[in-house]
Amino acid sequence: GENVEQHPSTLSVQEGDSAVIKCTYSDSASNYFPWYKQELGKRPQLIIDIRSNVGEKKDQRIAVTLNKTAKHFSLHITETQPEDSAVYFCAANRIGGGFKTIFGAGTRLFVKA
Amino acid sequence: DAGITQSPRHKVTETGTPVTLRCHQTENHRYMYWYRQDPGHGLRLIHYSYGVKDTDKGEVSDGYSVSRSKTEDFLLTLESATSSQTSVYFCAISESGEHQPQHFGDGTRLSIL
Repeated sequence: GENVEQHPSTLSVQEGDSAVIKCTYSDSASNYFPWYKQELGKRPQLIIDIRSNVGEKKDQRIAVTLNKTAKHFSLHITETQPEDSAVYFCAANRIGGGFKTIFGAGTRLFVKA
Repeated sequence: DAGITQSPRHKVTETGTPVTLRCHQTENHRYMYWYRQDPGHGLRLIHYSYGVKDTDKGEVSDGYSVSRSKTEDFLLTLESATSSQTSVYFCAISESGEHQPQHFGDGTRLSIL
């Protein structure tokens, strides 16, 4: 079955710097890759997603990139702010294939003011 | 925020007792999911539903059952709770059938002693 690995498990950056979180997946049939943000004690929230027919997607300060050949995708956060501090989860799915979303283990991001 | 209510929010119970968690949505979404969240494992799908009385297993379904008698309610039952089922449980919903959760509830923290 699908396996998603996420790195690093913890990331600490200075406010204003960029943060990058990387994920790899094992099933080459996966074609949809959402990212979720979970603040301490709160619910996960879908923040951005990308489909396999697109190499990059951007939404204000966050962007996702996808390399299908290498089977890895990344979340980029620019100009980080303290409110970006949270746990971020990547996930992989195969739309239309009866395949359930598989999550990475999460990255705890600390943004130091 | 999407209208998803989980109850109870916290529960402590003893090994061997039955436990039922409830998820109620006001969005009229067809798809509902139960996840458990444990450190180092991200979110793992327990069961999901694609309509009234239509349910299927996720990756960690052993020891759990579900029921959906109305569009708005999705119940998760632990028939005989074990300490390994101590976790935070999240309900989620989605409008499409693409198996990725779009909106999560606030979670239920369940402790089995």
